[in-house]
Amino acid sequence: EIVLTQSPGTLSLSPGERATLSCRASQSVSSSYLAWYQQKPGQAPRLLIYGASSRATDIPDRFSGSGSGTDFTLTISRLEPEDFAVYYCQQYGTSPQTFGQGTRVEIK
Amino acid sequence: QVQLVQSGAEVQKPGASVKVSCKASGYIFTSYALHWVRQAPGQRLEWMAWINAGNGNTKYSQKFQGRVTITRDTSARTVYMELSSLRSEDSAVYYCARDTNYMDVWGKGTTVTVSS
Repeated sequence: EIVLTQSPGTLSLSPGERATLSCRASQSVSSSYLAWYQQKPGQAPRLLIYGASSRATDIPDRFSGSGSGTDFTLTISRLEPEDFAVYYCQQYGTSPQTFGQGTRVEIK
Repeated sequence: QVQLVQSGAEVQKPGASVKVSCKASGYIFTSYALHWVRQAPGQRLEWMAWINAGNGNTKYSQKFQGRVTITRDTSARTVYMELSSLRSEDSAVYYCARDTNYMDVWGKGTTVTVSS
């Protein structure tokens, strides 16, 4: 199965700063079938990005995704207070679908 | 709006089975598949299984093959996930999520606790 490794484990930033989250796959992710989800405590994950770079419905344009092959990035251009959460990447191109271990974005 | 409503929290003993439901609304039920994903405390999300709500075809993670069964009731617009031979490591939050290749809508989750 494809193993996804996210870095860093924790990102400590202030509101207004830029966040850059990385997701590396153990083998190429077919057709850029890579998604990003946001999860807050006690809540279900929420889809942010699919197809590596397409924003889901109602997702603000401060969230952007990029990458292909084995290296993918989620960028939050200017952090808002509601963006402090855990972010997971997921590949859905090869069965079984797999998730990264998550990056926590916390308030500095 | 599209919603997935899951059944309530469960407490089961080791060796028992648990059946969790996921009721869909706001879209054509038989036009989409549904996934089951679990999250143990402090762990990453883990894909378990998938069912095509239209024809009932299923796919299971090898890790859970033989222990998990996914079914659906089209008249009730509901998908079920049954996990048997429970052990303490199965204590987790279980989510259903609609398939659009990725997972675009999620249920709120069902907490399953396995404890003697």
